[in-house]
Amino acid sequence: AQRVTQPEKLLSVFKGAPVELKCNYSYSGSPELFWYVQYSRQRLQLLLRHISRESIKGFTADLNKGETSFHLKKPFAQEEDSAMYYCAPRRYGNNRLAFGKGNQVVVIP
Amino acid sequence: DTAVSQTPKYLVTQMGNDKSIKCEQNLGHDTMYWYKQDSKKFLKIMFSYNNKELIINETVPNRFSPKSPDKAHLNLHINSLELGDSAVYFCASSPDRVRNEQYFGPGTRLTVT
Repeated sequence: AQRVTQPEKLLSVFKGAPVELKCNYSYSGSPELFWYVQYSRQRLQLLLRHISRESIKGFTADLNKGETSFHLKKPFAQEEDSAMYYCAPRRYGNNRLAFGKGNQVVVIP
Repeated sequence: DTAVSQTPKYLVTQMGNDKSIKCEQNLGHDTMYWYKQDSKKFLKIMFSYNNKELIINETVPNRFSPKSPDKAHLNLHINSLELGDSAVYFCASSPDRVRNEQYFGPGTRLTVT
């Protein structure tokens, strides 16, 4: 069965500390992976996609096919990073995104 | 210039009522979605339409009926509302079935009393 796991529901970090959100997936074939972010009382928005290999708002995510992971990282957390983060893989050619249960990140000033 | 809009933003209603949530996108996208976000922030897809054709229909009670009058609109009608229907409902759209970067609406917070 296709599955996406975000093990830590709530992550509290101090401002300036590194933050890492774990995402593991179990998909046959080669999935496409996304991270979405939802700031307080706002709509979900795309943060990163693995094919872009870019850094957005200081965040990066590397697809590790061997470990089937797509962890999200930022070296120095900022208060405005406090939000809900969702990992979402999908199989190529399939328009169904499977959202993980999300990580609530709280950055402590 | 709102990309994906939903109305209403808040909806409070009593059990047993019928209500509709409307969604419109002005991005020219072919594919639209409805998601339900529960109190634990778990996001689950309900339906997806591509060019007015239903392509995803998850295990959702048949009290929920989506309707797509054209590819820019996807409405959600809910009959006989129940307490468990209380959630935030998000509409989203993507360019097509393959290019799946999804753009979300602001959400509709439904409270059933």
